[in-house]
Amino acid sequence: RKEVEQDPGPFNVPEGATVAFNCTYSNSASQSFFWYRQDCRKEPKLLMSVYSSGNEDGRFTAQLNRASQYISLLIRDSKLSDSATYLCVYRSNDYKLSFGAGTTVTVRA
Amino acid sequence: GAGVSQSPRYKVAKRGQDVALRCDPISGHVSLFWYQQALGQGPEFLTYFQNEAQLDKSGLPSDRFFAERPEGSVSTLKIQRTQQEDSAVYLCASSYRGAKNIQYFGAGTRLSVL
Repeated sequence: RKEVEQDPGPFNVPEGATVAFNCTYSNSASQSFFWYRQDCRKEPKLLMSVYSSGNEDGRFTAQLNRASQYISLLIRDSKLSDSATYLCVYRSNDYKLSFGAGTTVTVRA
Repeated sequence: GAGVSQSPRYKVAKRGQDVALRCDPISGHVSLFWYQQALGQGPEFLTYFQNEAQLDKSGLPSDRFFAERPEGSVSTLKIQRTQQEDSAVYLCASSYRGAKNIQYFGAGTRLSVL
């Protein structure tokens, strides 16, 4: 069983729509959680950290549920530029990042 | 400023060849990481350096994989006797000071083994 499970999608949404997706993790010792964004054939880039209390960064909202071991990402008012693969990531020790396989989002005009 | 630089961007190797992949981290970044990303998958951790010390190599798939960072800056990932299953994108990341800081990734080297 993979340490991080994500719905691969694709989520195909019109501009302006709201899209949300989750990932689940199996390592209860996970310390820190992140969403990374990866464009096609590009490197992963940190989108935002995820905190238990939930946090927002503009149109993006992330949530962590430690009891159920899942994190979520919600994108409001989708833009064409939001089309990408979103990687769910956790850090279980001081340095090692564990990535999910990613959820693909396509925003259409 | 300059980001993490990797070379070559693309590498085609015949099965059985040795390859060397280079990573130039962001200047001043103490921690350096290598990841392997297979098609349709997320990156998988390979190894971690703090300065010149390789503190974790638990993710290296086999003894054909070897990484070094002799002067605590540039790092090289070497794969000996390449196999088709080694085909992947090899990503390098670096972080400032402590490894808990944000990891910045390079664009990767896409290795194809024929």
